[in-house]
Amino acid sequence: DGGITQSPKYLFRKEGQNVTLSCEQNLNHDAMYWYRQDPGQGLRLIYYSQIVNDFQKGDIAEGYSVSREKKESFPLTVTSAQKNPTAFYLCASSQIVRTRTDTQYFGPGTRLTVL
Amino acid sequence: GQNIDQPTEMTATEGAIVQINCTYQTSGFNGLFWYQQHAGEAPTFLSYNVLDGLEEKGRFSSFLSRSKGYSYLLLKELQMKDSASYLCAVPYGGATNKLIFGTGTLLAVQP
Repeated sequence: DGGITQSPKYLFRKEGQNVTLSCEQNLNHDAMYWYRQDPGQGLRLIYYSQIVNDFQKGDIAEGYSVSREKKESFPLTVTSAQKNPTAFYLCASSQIVRTRTDTQYFGPGTRLTVL
Repeated sequence: GQNIDQPTEMTATEGAIVQINCTYQTSGFNGLFWYQQHAGEAPTFLSYNVLDGLEEKGRFSSFLSRSKGYSYLLLKELQMKDSASYLCAVPYGGATNKLIFGTGTLLAVQP
């Protein structure tokens, strides 16, 4: 089955520790995205990548880092510099179509709680 | 700038029809998306409108008016499983794959 997987579903970390969230897709999509969702707020873009070995900051990139070494994978590291890391993190992917915006498909999400 | 407005919450009765509105401001329109998100789950794609008018997909329809910066999602024959948040999203200005999302409308379907 084609899709996007994120692991783990729930993650607990102590304050001050870095943590890496996994995102893998087998849809052969060029673009991948990381969003953060907090209660009562819309999805906010953290980072996105349109091609291997290249990525751009979104609206709230501070305290996060990413890599895109393979087309299928786009891991997100939440560093100790992120002031409020507890949130629901969603990974998405899409094709890149030059003439329009293509649909983004989401993984199941990782709920990170920092204690 | 870019901005999206949606009502925060709505309540409707099973079997009824509900309309969820979305107004947007964007520099360079390139379509509007609707997603459904059940609590604790990922958003799932419902519709994409790029031209004015109504597009129907089973019980769900989506309408767009580019001149008014307005869209709505119409849900017919409501079922309990339709209780969810409905997210409106538009691309950032120009032809881009970056989306800006509204805060979502939480719909509660009551028996």
